[in-house]
Amino acid sequence: QVHLQESGPGLAKPSETLTLSCDVSGYSITRGYYWGWIRQPPGKGLEWVIHMYHRGSTYDNPSLTSRVTMSIDTSKNQFSLSLRSVTAADTAVYYCVRFDMNKVVFDSWGQGALVTVSS
Amino acid sequence: QSALTQPPSVSGAPGQRVTISCTGSSSNIGAGFDVHWYQRRPGEAPKLLIYDNTNRPSGVPDRFSGSKSGASASLAITGLQAEDEADYFCQSYDGGLSLHVVFGGGTKVIVL
Repeated sequence: QVHLQESGPGLAKPSETLTLSCDVSGYSITRGYYWGWIRQPPGKGLEWVIHMYHRGSTYDNPSLTSRVTMSIDTSKNQFSLSLRSVTAADTAVYYCVRFDMNKVVFDSWGQGALVTVSS
Repeated sequence: QSALTQPPSVSGAPGQRVTISCTGSSSNIGAGFDVHWYQRRPGEAPKLLIYDNTNRPSGVPDRFSGSKSGASASLAITGLQAEDEADYFCQSYDGGLSLHVVFGGGTKVIVL
């Protein structure tokens, strides 16, 4: 059974880059599926951020395109999120997810990591 | 503001039936795209509850059921249990925006 676990700093300063990692166990990232990130700001709904295939195809939220990138390290079975020039509006719980592109459904989620943007 | 509209909360006593609505538009649910539902219990990772409008993944009790009609979908929980107290989110695809993936704002189910 696949398990996803987020890790990274819980605090980021305004204008800096937020970086999170997701360790995947129980399933090889190269076997298929897309992998990605979803976030939930305090008091708001879920927001899709980005998802990516291990061979490079990437889809991201147009509202974040200029600031967001994702990378996959197949040797570590891990993927990462980078969000540049963060503001308080980027404060959220960030979830790493496995995404079934055919059904457009997120079938596995991490527990989530709270990142607060504050000076 | 979320692309899909859900009530902020619903409540019911143990054993009762509750339903959660998810209202979209002609560019997402109304365009025929499937709806999926997720459950997030306090302190736990979100879990896929219903996929493709009506299907339950292995291990999900049949107390949970989904339906879809027109530009709306619903999640029903029958025989409500204390462990069902959680946040529930609907999700679909939007072909009219470049967002692709859209979510509802979430509904808190309160077991009285």
